[in-house]
Order: sequence, then C-alpha cells, then structure tokens
Amino acid sequence: KNQVEQSPQSLIILEGKNCTLQCNYTVSPFSNLRWYKQDTGRGPVSLTIMTFSENTKSNGRYTATLDADTKQSSLHITASQLSDSASYICVVSLGENYGGSQGNLIFGKGTKLSVKP
Amino acid sequence: KAGVTQTPRYLIKTRGQQVTLSCSPISGHRSVSWYQQTPGQGLQFLFEYFSETQRNKGNFPGRFSGRQFSNSRSEMNVSTLELGDSALYLCASSLGIGSSYEQYFGPGTRLTVT
Repeated sequence: KNQVEQSPQSLIILEGKNCTLQCNYTVSPFSNLRWYKQDTGRGPVSLTIMTFSENTKSNGRYTATLDADTKQSSLHITASQLSDSASYICVVSLGENYGGSQGNLIFGKGTKLSVKP
Repeated sequence: KAGVTQTPRYLIKTRGQQVTLSCSPISGHRSVSWYQQTPGQGLQFLFEYFSETQRNKGNFPGRFSGRQFSNSRSEMNVSTLELGDSALYLCASSLGIGSSYEQYFGPGTRLTVT
C-alpha cells in the first residue's frame, strides 16, 4: 500500500534552535517528493521538490534530503524563527506511468512545529 | 501575478443542505485540483480538472461533484451535507496536467456543517 509516514506528529522548539522532521514512504513507482509548509488557516506552500536523482535541496533556512534507497526524506530547519511555526507536509508523487495526475500524490499527515520565544 | 483565490473563505451550513465553493486559478494555469483537509485524515484528493474535463477523481461519494469553466475557474458542489463534511476545502492550480507540475494552493474554504 502506498503510504507516507511523518514523524514526529508535533514538535516544540525554542527560537534559534535547529530541528529535523522525518518522512518515510512506501510509494512505488516514485516520481518526486515535495515538502510543503502550511500556516494555520492557510493553504500549503511548496518548500522543495526533489526527483529520484536529487539527494539534497535547499530553500533558505530549509534543507531537504532524500535517500531513495531507504525511502526516507528529512527537512532540516536551521536557526528557527517564530514564523516557522506551522505544519510541514511531506508529499510523494507516483510515477507518471500512473496516468499523470495530481491525484497520484500521496500526502503525509504532517508535523506540527511550534517555535517558542 | 495574483495567486489562487477561493470564495467564500468561511461557510456555515446545516446538515442536509448543499453548498458550492469557487476557485479561481493563477492566470495561465489550466489544471485545478480540489482537496479536503481534516485534522484526522490530512489532505485527501477530491478531483482534478484540466481543460473543462475531469481527469481524475478521489474516493469520495457522489455527493461531491465539480466542474471547470472555459476560463479555468472551477466550482465544487457538495449536496446533502453531513456533519463529517466539515473541513477545510483547498483548491490548487498548476500549469499542466501531471504530478511533475508544481501546485499552488489557495487559502481554502472552511466549511462547518451543524
């Protein structure tokens, strides 16, 4: 069964600290993996998209890694800020031979991050 | 460029009623997808439209329907509302069909069914 599991479910850190969020998937065939940030009451915003051949991608203080062999990804946040408080969602896309549709995205349930002053 | 807009932002309906939600994609985007988000289930795919045609449908009952107009704007309709339909409904647009295209999400419509 195609699944995306994220851990931890929730996390509280102090402002200025680093943190790492985990995403394990059992999706096949794999096309790409995305990390989204969703502020409360808003729609998700894309942070990174990685294909099979990419193992690291950065977007400012956010760095995503992908290990396609172990089917694991992580999102590392450096020097956290209060504005990083949000849910972070990992999304894995099935390969295009599944018909090429956004309906072939498998969503994790997200990690809720709270950054405290 | 304006982002994806959704109207209304908040809606309260009574069980048994029907509701229509609207989504205007980013200019030039021809693909619109709809998702339901609840705390317990996360984001779940409802349907995807491209060039006024439904291209894919998620595992939701027939009470959930949608359409896309020639200007790429989309609407979704939920008939005979149930309490469990209370959720954030998100619309996302992308340039083309296929999961290799990045999706841009709107702010969502928060539907509460009482």
